[in-house]
Amino acid sequence: DAGVTQSPTHLIKTRGQHVTLRCSPISGHKSVSWYQQVLGQGPQFIFQYYEKEERGRGNFPDRFSARQFPNYSSELNVNALLLGDSALYLCASRGGQGDSAFFGQGTRLTVV
Amino acid sequence: QKEVEQNSGPLSVPEGAIASLNCTYSDRGSQSFFWYRQYSGKSPELIMSIYSNGDKEDGRFTAQLNKASQYVSLLIRDSQPSDSATYLCAAGATGGYNKLIFGAGTRLAVHP
Repeated sequence: DAGVTQSPTHLIKTRGQHVTLRCSPISGHKSVSWYQQVLGQGPQFIFQYYEKEERGRGNFPDRFSARQFPNYSSELNVNALLLGDSALYLCASRGGQGDSAFFGQGTRLTVV
Repeated sequence: QKEVEQNSGPLSVPEGAIASLNCTYSDRGSQSFFWYRQYSGKSPELIMSIYSNGDKEDGRFTAQLNKASQYVSLLIRDSQPSDSATYLCAAGATGGYNKLIFGAGTRLAVHP
């Protein structure tokens, strides 16, 4: 059974550009969350989607947006990239409220 | 601001010893707690989840939860060099959605 898959695994972008990151949850999981992990810190919550609706948003600027599709896959979009957006972006899949969250391999974004 | 606190380490233990990792959390309403292991450059991997006060054992790992003291711990018995990694503690946030609040992680080094 496939786990959480994210694409791409690595990405280099220039300041001011836009990026789209993709995630497919574990089969049967309807909840997808996005986290940003900066080097030396724990993951920080960005968004949670459940049944295609946004259920939670972390303390991130409006440059960050996301959506969930009918097949429960998800996209994270970041506009007007800043150097400080360089991080590991993680997607987590959960079956239900309080269930364990399983992470994908992450997308390493470097903004130059 | 709800927080999870961990000692950053490094915690250095000899091979075969017990490693003890600790975590405190500020949200009294949290009901679910998780330990993740993260190797350098990789994504977090779930080790244990715990929801009730007391101990929960899984192989060489034991998670302990004390909600009155807002304290979670992870014991690793018979530590191996392959256990060397950063261990992240996470608490499920209250508020009706599946947000996890992570600590910054404790770096564990197991030396032969």
